[in-house]
Amino acid sequence: AQRVTQPEKLLSVFKGAPVELKCNYSYSGSPELFWYVQYSRQRLQLLLRHISRESIKGFTADLNKGETSFHLKKPFAQEEDSAMYYCALRAQGGSEKLVFGKGTKLTVNP
Amino acid sequence: ETGVTQSPTHLIKTRGQQVTLRCSSQSGHNTVSWYQQALGQGPQFIFQYYREEENGRGNFPPRFSGLQFPNYSSELNVNALELDDSALYLCASSAGRYNEQFFGPGTRLTVL
Repeated sequence: AQRVTQPEKLLSVFKGAPVELKCNYSYSGSPELFWYVQYSRQRLQLLLRHISRESIKGFTADLNKGETSFHLKKPFAQEEDSAMYYCALRAQGGSEKLVFGKGTKLTVNP
Repeated sequence: ETGVTQSPTHLIKTRGQQVTLRCSSQSGHNTVSWYQQALGQGPQFIFQYYREEENGRGNFPPRFSGLQFPNYSSELNVNALELDDSALYLCASSAGRYNEQFFGPGTRLTVL
C-alpha cells in the first residue's frame, strides 16, 4: 500500500531561519514524489517534483530512497512562505492516483 | 487561458440525498481527477476520467460515481449521502493521465 506521512501538523519558524518540512513514504516500488502548497485563500498548486531536481521559490527536496523520505527545505524562510504544504506520492511507471499526506501548516513569523 | 473551475462553491444537503458537483477543466486538458478532502486531512483520490472513460478509482463505494463529457468537463455524483461525506471536493485537470494536475478551488459539501 502507498502511504505518505507528514509527522508535523504545525511548524513555526522565524523569518530568515532555515526550515525543513518532513515527509516519509511507504511504497515498495519506485515512486514519484511531489510537494504541493496551498497559500491562504488560494487553490492547491504544485511546488516541486523530485524528477525535476529544481529549486522553486528557494525550496529544494531530495528523494532519499534509503530513508524513504522527501523532506522539503529552504535555508532562509520568508513570511510569504507561510502556507499549508502537502507531500504526495505517485507510483512510477504509470499511475493516475496521487496519495497525499495530511499536510503541515508552516507559519513564518516576522 | 482559463483555469479549473468548480460549482457550486458551497452546498448543504441532508443525509440520504443525492448531490452532483461540477468541474470544468483547464483549456487543453483531457483528464480530470476528483479528490475528497476531509477536515484536517490531505486530499484522497476518488477516481480519474480520461477521454470520457473512468481510468482508476480509489477506495470509495459505488455510490460515488462520475461522468466526463466530450468537452472534458466532469461531474461527481454522490448518492445516499452520509454525514461522513461532508468534505471539500477537489477537481484537478491535466493534459494526460500522468501529467501535472491543476486543481480547482473546490466545492464544500456539508451533510446534515
